[in-house]
Amino acid sequence: RKEVEQDPGPFNVPEGATVAFNCTYSNSASQSFFWYRQDCRKEPKLLMSVYSSGNEDGRFTAQLNRASQYISLLIRDSKLSDSATYLCVVIQRTGGFKTIFGAGTRLFVKA
Amino acid sequence: DVKVTQSSRYLVKRTGEKVFLECVQDMDHENMFWYRQDPGLGLRLIYFSYDVKMKEKGDIPEGYSVSREKKERFSLILESASTNQTSMYLCASNRLVLAGGNEQFFGPGTRLTVL
Repeated sequence: RKEVEQDPGPFNVPEGATVAFNCTYSNSASQSFFWYRQDCRKEPKLLMSVYSSGNEDGRFTAQLNRASQYISLLIRDSKLSDSATYLCVVIQRTGGFKTIFGAGTRLFVKA
Repeated sequence: DVKVTQSSRYLVKRTGEKVFLECVQDMDHENMFWYRQDPGLGLRLIYFSYDVKMKEKGDIPEGYSVSREKKERFSLILESASTNQTSMYLCASNRLVLAGGNEQFFGPGTRLTVL
């Protein structure tokens, strides 16, 4: 079983749709959580951190459920420019810190 | 702005060749990482370094070695390239923090093809 699992997609949605990405992690020692965005043929870049209380940045909302070991990302009113791969990232405290990337979920937003 | 640069965007090598991938960051970050990214597998950590001359194995170090002689530079070496090392290689860096984790900044990637 992978330590961080995401639906590979792709998700195909029309502009203006709301789309939700889910991510589960298996190790309860996981401590920090992030969503990264990766455009086609580009490097991953941090989209937002994920906090237990949930956090929102414009059209993007991230939530963490530690009991269920589950992270989500919601994009409202999706734009063509949101088309990308969204990577769930989990950092475990294991002596040092271990960063684990999910395989990513591909999103296509169509006009 | 943090800048992480990699020596090549595209590289084609032959089986058995020695391959050097170079990565340089300009933000005085302590940590540097080498990943490979393959479809369906996501990013997998090959090696990382938290200080000059220090290195730690990641999840898939076999067939690779690294060198960190200067803080800003982290090199990935394929001693004898094989076709299963055809992949996208991404370098990243971040600052050492004592609690939690923090953002990693990535280079643009090197797409290596081994024939």
